[in-house]
Amino acid sequence: GAVVSQHPSWVICKSGTSVKIECRSLDFQATTMFWYRQFPKQSLMLMATSNEGSKATYEQGVEKDKFLINHASLTLSTLTVTSAHPEDSSFYICTQPGYTFGSGTRLTVV
Amino acid sequence: GENVEQHPSTLSVQEGDSAVIKCTYSDSASNYFPWYKQELGKGPQLIIDIRSNVGEKKDQRIAVTLNKTAKHFSLHITETQPEDSAVYFCAATGGGGADGLTFGKGTHLIIQP
Repeated sequence: GAVVSQHPSWVICKSGTSVKIECRSLDFQATTMFWYRQFPKQSLMLMATSNEGSKATYEQGVEKDKFLINHASLTLSTLTVTSAHPEDSSFYICTQPGYTFGSGTRLTVV
Repeated sequence: GENVEQHPSTLSVQEGDSAVIKCTYSDSASNYFPWYKQELGKGPQLIIDIRSNVGEKKDQRIAVTLNKTAKHFSLHITETQPEDSAVYFCAATGGGGADGLTFGKGTHLIIQP
């Protein structure tokens, strides 16, 4: 399957700051990327679908102003967690339509 | 929307025995059913998948079966080994790649030596 690279693998930030997570498709031109969130010992929940050159589609209950998604090119999608709070601490992970996941980003907000 | 139920939540088997994890789905339009293995601190790794036009698929010690009529699919691991210990997730989706995956809640598989 296609290879997806995610960066950073882990990040610690202070409350109120913003964090950007990158998801790169290394060998596949992805017009779509899916972003998931996984709380400790829980399953993965789809947050949003990013679309190259257009607005992302958010799942119900996900704040689009808090989780900014940009898909500027066929190989890069980014998720920015704005004004982060401790409850945003989670494992964020992306995948492209071939459903091969990146390695994920562990976000801890202190 | 799609709803995926997964059982059991924890499964402990003796090394060398078989393990079976079962999932049901609600949306008859779903046509792609992957299984993932997730080790602590890592992203999910796709281990096997099946599409709705196939009833069974096997890859060495791992097999998946699908019953479209009953809307359930199962993961079978034979001759289990300690390195099989992990959390396993089933998922379902339709849309030919245009839709995201809906995951089950996961099964913690423990292989007892």
